[in-house]
Amino acid sequence: DQQVKQNSPSLSVQEGRISILNCDYTNSMFDYFLWYKKYPAEGPTFLISISSIKDKNEDGRFTVFLNKSAKHLSLHIVPSQPGDSAVYFCAAVYSNTGKLIFGQGTTLQVKP
Amino acid sequence: SQTIHQWPATLVQPVGSPLSLECTVEGTSNPNLYWYRQAAGRGLQLLFYSVGIGQISSEVPQNLSASRPQDRQFILSSKKLLLSDSGFYLCAWSVHRGRETQYFGPGTRLLVL
Repeated sequence: DQQVKQNSPSLSVQEGRISILNCDYTNSMFDYFLWYKKYPAEGPTFLISISSIKDKNEDGRFTVFLNKSAKHLSLHIVPSQPGDSAVYFCAAVYSNTGKLIFGQGTTLQVKP
Repeated sequence: SQTIHQWPATLVQPVGSPLSLECTVEGTSNPNLYWYRQAAGRGLQLLFYSVGIGQISSEVPQNLSASRPQDRQFILSSKKLLLSDSGFYLCAWSVHRGRETQYFGPGTRLLVL
């Protein structure tokens, strides 16, 4: 049972445009969400997070939106840069366990 | 600042051989520690987590085991590797159990032949 889903395995955007990565979840007990970026053969790097009491969190070019009623979150990257090309994982956690549940990942390619 | 180390970076092992992967964390005390596996083309699967020395929780039944002999050391082991054990193994740490960000090490690529 996949509790966190990233339904788009890949996304290609032009440099300077907006990249929108989507993530859906099924468990309403999740209360904290994170996005990680991963290059091949490296560990994931934490990007940005959001608490379930918020609907938006912004950090530089990265903004995460949370729609609790739809059980959906998205990561916006504006403007996209070629160095953003990587695999992006969303993850969800509920406080009682502290365990991260990851989506399958979306490969972002930003074309110069 | 905190850093997390994993070694080796790459490992090629024959089927049936033992395994020992090591993870150490610097710059923090009493971290929560985690082992994940990323199989080819798949997401990250939590294998084990530990909230303290000698305390190990297993998430999925498998051919692997974990140990935490010291506060900042986490070891992933197997007595006999299977082909299906191939993958990218990641260690992570967090400050407290709960809504705390986990930080990952560089990973170990394991190929079982």
